[in-house]
Amino acid sequence: GDSVTQMEGPVTLSEEAFLTINCTYTATGYPSLFWYVQYPGEGLQLLLKATKADDKGSNKGFEATYRKETTSFHLEKGSVQVSDSAVYFCALPPAGGTSYGKLTFGQGTILTVHP
Amino acid sequence: EPEVTQTPSHQVTQMGQEVILRCVPISNHLYFYWYRQILGQKVEFLVSFYNNEISEKSEIFDDQFSVERPDGSNFTLKIRSTKLEDSAMYFCASKRAIGTEAFFGQGTRLTVV
Repeated sequence: GDSVTQMEGPVTLSEEAFLTINCTYTATGYPSLFWYVQYPGEGLQLLLKATKADDKGSNKGFEATYRKETTSFHLEKGSVQVSDSAVYFCALPPAGGTSYGKLTFGQGTILTVHP
Repeated sequence: EPEVTQTPSHQVTQMGQEVILRCVPISNHLYFYWYRQILGQKVEFLVSFYNNEISEKSEIFDDQFSVERPDGSNFTLKIRSTKLEDSAMYFCASKRAIGTEAFFGQGTRLTVV
């Protein structure tokens, strides 16, 4: 079945450092790919998405490129801020079929950014 | 901005007790979901609900679990007889249509003692 693997956390960085959170997936077909973020005390929010191979999703300075050849969707940001401290989840929906839109998530990566 | 609301934020219950986790989805949404995350593990799909019935469920969602949309606004998850291994963060989500963004609540942390 479909699966998502994220890099082990937690990740601790200083402000303005470069961030990469790795995500690889196993899926049937070519699903869309998502990154969700959960800020402290809040629900999961869609951060960015890509719907087909070589697409780049971007939002709030974060980027991720859908790499079909390596089945990856790594999240990057060039200069993190303290306000980026959160839990980040890579996720994919079913590529097709009769599923009612459930998401398959990675285990989440806790990011802490220090001033 | 409309949001999904979950209550309570944290619930502690004794093993064997029944718990009901409550969610108020966004009002014009038609698809509803429950997910859970055991501490340190992946967010796992439990169940989806559409047109007043379960549309899909995972193997986790056994006879101890049930969902209901009793009044057209609330969406509840009931665990009949809680076990220690039910301790987790439970997330509710809703979406307007298949292929649109899912909106999540902030989660309910359930602790079974």
